[in-house]
Amino acid sequence: QQQVKQSPQSLIVQKGGISIINCAYENTAFDYFPWYQQFPGKGPALLIAIRPDVSEKKEGRFTISFNKSAKQFSLHIMDSQPGDSATYFCAGPTGNQFYFGTGTSLTVIP
Amino acid sequence: DAGVIQSPRHEVTEMGQEVTLRCKPISGHNSLFWYRQTMMRGLELLIYFNNNVPIDDSGMPEDRFSAKMPNASFSTLKIQPSEPRDSAVYFCASSSQGFSNQPQHFGDGTRLSIL
Repeated sequence: QQQVKQSPQSLIVQKGGISIINCAYENTAFDYFPWYQQFPGKGPALLIAIRPDVSEKKEGRFTISFNKSAKQFSLHIMDSQPGDSATYFCAGPTGNQFYFGTGTSLTVIP
Repeated sequence: DAGVIQSPRHEVTEMGQEVTLRCKPISGHNSLFWYRQTMMRGLELLIYFNNNVPIDDSGMPEDRFSAKMPNASFSTLKIQPSEPRDSAVYFCASSSQGFSNQPQHFGDGTRLSIL
């Protein structure tokens, strides 16, 4: 059973556009909602994270929106750049487990 | 500041052979994680150590897989005997305290191919 469901699987955006990736989760024990970014040949790296007591967090061009009642959270990338082309993973931890979403391959076209 | 260091970066071996993957976590981190990444199953947590003690190994697929952390600066993941379906990228990650609210720092992975 997938603990974290991510969509879309792939996304193509023009430079300067907005990229939006969504995640839905089942496990209400999650207390921390991170997004990781992975470039080819590299391990995932933490991009931005939110705790469930806030509805939005912004860091530069990256924003997480969190809807606790709907059990959903999303990543918005404003003014998308070719350098943002990567695979993005949402995730959710419980005490002893860490569940990654299936990943979204983002391509930003110059 | 050195990140998580994994070796080897690539490993190609024949079915039935023993494979040992190595990881050096970031100094001062007391939690270490082994993950496997495949196209079919995505990123899966295999095992989680805290203060060198295995906390949860429920993700280890079979008895052929074993992991050790003899000290705070070194961990190994061993597959014996290896099978073609073990082919994947294996990542090691470390953090300063478990999962919640703490970023995991990943190494660049070991790409394992079992022929």
